Amino acid sequence: QLVLTQSPSASASLGASVKLTCTLSSGHSNYAIVWHQKQPEKGPRYLMKVNDDGTHRKGDGIPDRFSGSSSGTERYLTISSLQSEDEGDYHCQTWGAGTTVLFGGGTKLTVL
Amino acid sequence: EVELLESGGGWVQPGGSLRVSCAASGFTFSRFGMSWVRQAPGQGLEWVSFITGSGERTDYADSVKGRFTISRDNPKNTLYLQMNGLRAEDTAVYYCAKGVAGAIIDYFDYWGQGTLVTVSS
Repeated sequence: QLVLTQSPSASASLGASVKLTCTLSSGHSNYAIVWHQKQPEKGPRYLMKVNDDGTHRKGDGIPDRFSGSSSGTERYLTISSLQSEDEGDYHCQTWGAGTTVLFGGGTKLTVL
Repeated sequence: EVELLESGGGWVQPGGSLRVSCAASGFTFSRFGMSWVRQAPGQGLEWVSFITGSGERTDYADSVKGRFTISRDNPKNTLYLQMNGLRAEDTAVYYCAKGVAGAIIDYFDYWGQGTLVTVSS
């Protein structure tokens, strides 16, 4: 069964970098995922698609501070030079035949 | 610029009905599949329903199958979600989301700002 697992919370200091992880369940290492950012009182925002080979494609207007990578069943979102407006929830999502659409539980990012 | 604007949310009693809408602009609406995704208070995102660009095929999460109906009016660039037999657990902010393909479900590259549906007696 396909499952996406995310840590509930993460924190890092202003100006630092943080790496968020989305883990695919065993046997699903070939799946791509996408990252969405959800800030309070706003709709979600598509950040990027991360493929199993580590390549990624960002959405319109997403700063260079945001990047994606992969290793096995793990998909990463790295945010460098953290800013206060980066605080929010980060959700990973995948899709596929027989699976329709699946989200991870989300990671709440706090910028200290 | 792509814009998705939901409307129609509100308060409804258990067992009641509500229709939410999503007005789309900034892209050729009929070329893309669209979905509804919801977020209950304090919870994560949950996909609810999908419709192809042509409107010919739909799909639903098991939690809403038989109660919710997705539809679209392509000349009006509008997506709908008819919700019947509403339950307390349907309370959530409902978002419309644009897919990147027309005929298959995939990921979402634009979202609306959401409309709140509250089911309570």
